[in-house]
Amino acid sequence: NAGVTQTPKFQVLKTGQSMTLQCAQDMNHNSMYWYRQDPGMGLRLIYYSASEGTTDKGEVPNGYNVSRLNKREFSLRLESAAPSQTSVYFCASSGAKNIQYFGAGTRLSVL
Amino acid sequence: GNSVTQMEGPVTLSEEAFLTINCTYTATGYPSLFWYVQYPGEGLQLLLKATKADDKGSNKGFEATYRKETTSFHLEKGSVQVSDSAVYFCALREGAQKLVFGQGTRLTINP
Repeated sequence: NAGVTQTPKFQVLKTGQSMTLQCAQDMNHNSMYWYRQDPGMGLRLIYYSASEGTTDKGEVPNGYNVSRLNKREFSLRLESAAPSQTSVYFCASSGAKNIQYFGAGTRLSVL
Repeated sequence: GNSVTQMEGPVTLSEEAFLTINCTYTATGYPSLFWYVQYPGEGLQLLLKATKADDKGSNKGFEATYRKETTSFHLEKGSVQVSDSAVYFCALREGAQKLVFGQGTRLTINP
């Protein structure tokens, strides 16, 4: 009963490096989301995918790209990491009842 | 745009105290409202929800009532436990899927 699985759990990057955050869900949900969580700001939506094959920008998409690889997997890519992207990243998915289920998060530091 | 405002934290209470965490929202129309809880080192979990005015969501002793007239969805619990220590997020759903979160309130319960 894994739910939403994110990898890695922790990552440290240098400015300018690239990386991909992975997310997979086993609940057969159509919709998937990427959020970032910063102190005092709650969660802000980066990108979402309403269904396989579609992606849309959220509130803070600049500096990120996403890929909905298949129904299960939704990855988030940082092409050239910046210190402002230091944050905790959460992936979520939702199905027909529109309740979002979250992964445990990836803590990213960009030096 | 839509927004959610929560009371500033952190909140520290003694075990068995009464808890209120205030949440107000700004939205066009009548969004669904949610409380999510985040335990240390984990992702967010849905605590309770309400989908229309005067609905009361409840779970694990927590309650919140959707008040259209005051645009509020305050979280309450009559007697808190140490295990309730967590960060609590109020959120609204705009459109079919997207959630808008408040900034979160950190709650610490002392034995």
